[in-house]
Amino acid sequence: DGGITQSPKYLFRKEGQNVTLSCEQNLNHDAMYWYRQDPGQGLRLIYYSQIVNDFQKGDIAEGYSVSREKKESFPLTVTSAQKNPTAFYLCASKGHDSNQPQHFGDGTRLSIL
Amino acid sequence: AQKITQTQPGMFVQEKEAVTLDCTYDTSDPSYGLFWYKQPSSGEMIFLIYQGSYDQQNATEGRYSLNFQKARKSANLVISASQLGDSAMYFCAMREGGRTGGFKTIFGAGTRLFVKA
Repeated sequence: DGGITQSPKYLFRKEGQNVTLSCEQNLNHDAMYWYRQDPGQGLRLIYYSQIVNDFQKGDIAEGYSVSREKKESFPLTVTSAQKNPTAFYLCASKGHDSNQPQHFGDGTRLSIL
Repeated sequence: AQKITQTQPGMFVQEKEAVTLDCTYDTSDPSYGLFWYKQPSSGEMIFLIYQGSYDQQNATEGRYSLNFQKARKSANLVISASQLGDSAMYFCAMREGGRTGGFKTIFGAGTRLFVKA
C-alpha cells in the first residue's frame, strides 16, 4: 500500500543536540511538507518542497533545516538553535493536482531530555 | 493574507444527532480550495471532504457535508448521525492559490468534538 512513513514515533533530544526526523513516501508525490503541532493547537508549516532539490521556508522555519535529494524522502533536522523543540511533527505529501488533499504520516513526538 | 478561523475550541453533541463545526476564511485569491481533516487522539490526520471555490454544489461524503457560503466566506462542516468514533479534533484548511498553485495549505486552530453516549 502507498503511504507516508515517519520515523521514529518518539524521539528525545538532549540540550545542544541536533536530531533528524525521517519522512519517506511511495505515493510518487512531488510536494512534501513538514508541520509542527503544539498541544491543543493547529498545524504550523515549517518547510515545504515542491520538487526535488528545491524547498521553501514556511512560517516557523527558524531552528530547522531540510533536504530534498530524492523525490521519496524529505528529512527534517531540528537543530540546537530551536530552543523549544518539544512538539508533535507531521510530514505530508501531495500530488500534482492542486485540489488533492495532503496525505499525512503518523507523526513523530519530540521531547527534550 | 490568507487566514482560517475556527471559533469553537470545543463542541459537545449527543450520539446520533447532527453537529456543525464552523470555519471562516479570508483570501483575496478567486481560486482556492477548502479541506476538512479529522485528527483522533492517536495523532494521524484523516482527510474528510473538499470544496473548491468554483464548485457550484456543496460537497458531500457519506455522513459529512460542507455548508459552503462563498459570499460569507464560510465553509462549515456538518456531521450527521454522530457516532462515538467521531470524537476527535477537526481542522479546517485552505489551499492557497497563486503561482505556487495549490502547494501551500494553511490550517485553522481546530475544534475538539466530544460525542456523548
